[in-house]
Amino acid sequence: EAGVTQFPSHSVIEKGQTVTLRCDPISGHDNLYWYRRVMGKEIKFLLHFVKESKQDESGMPNNRFLAERTGGTYSTLKVQPAELEDSGVYFCASSQDLGGQETQYFGPGTRLLVL
Amino acid sequence: AQKITQTQPGMFVQEKEAVTLDCTYDTSDPSYGLFWYKQPSSGEMIFLIYQGSYDQQNATEGRYSLNFQKARKSANLVISASQLGDSAMYFCAMREYQAAGNKLTFGGGTRVLVKP
Repeated sequence: EAGVTQFPSHSVIEKGQTVTLRCDPISGHDNLYWYRRVMGKEIKFLLHFVKESKQDESGMPNNRFLAERTGGTYSTLKVQPAELEDSGVYFCASSQDLGGQETQYFGPGTRLLVL
Repeated sequence: AQKITQTQPGMFVQEKEAVTLDCTYDTSDPSYGLFWYKQPSSGEMIFLIYQGSYDQQNATEGRYSLNFQKARKSANLVISASQLGDSAMYFCAMREYQAAGNKLTFGGGTRVLVKP
């Protein structure tokens, strides 16, 4: 069974440009999460989808970030326009809804560098 | 206040020895779960072990065990018989079931280097 995949693995862009990150969750997982780790900081939650609906977007830093999950399968996270402080590693995770012990399985991350 | 604290930024361990990675947490939620993840140099985050706040016994998964001390709010990861492949970053994370939905809160991580 394929794990969570993310594309691209690395992205280097200039300030002001747009970048779109993609996440393909494990097949059958209704829950999809985005997290990010900026340099020197902890991994922080961004948002949570249940199928195509945004369940919790309390971690989204500002309106330059737009996440979508059309059809409840893969998700995209767009940053427009990118700023220097957006540099970091963006992780996607997915899970089945198993109640108590819901284990989130993470992808390898996308390393974003904004110059 | 930090919700998850990992006080050891980095540590060395001799191959075949055991190592304990510290994790303390702060929550007023009566129902929570604690997770440990491993991140090798390749970047992916690998789930290792889970401990629920109501679990009576410490969780174990192969060479990984969790030393759960609820009154002290600590959930230390013990890796027995360290192997070279255990060299990685290790993250402790918490899910607060009532207060915070499904999201995980992470600590800053501990980098482990296993010496041959």
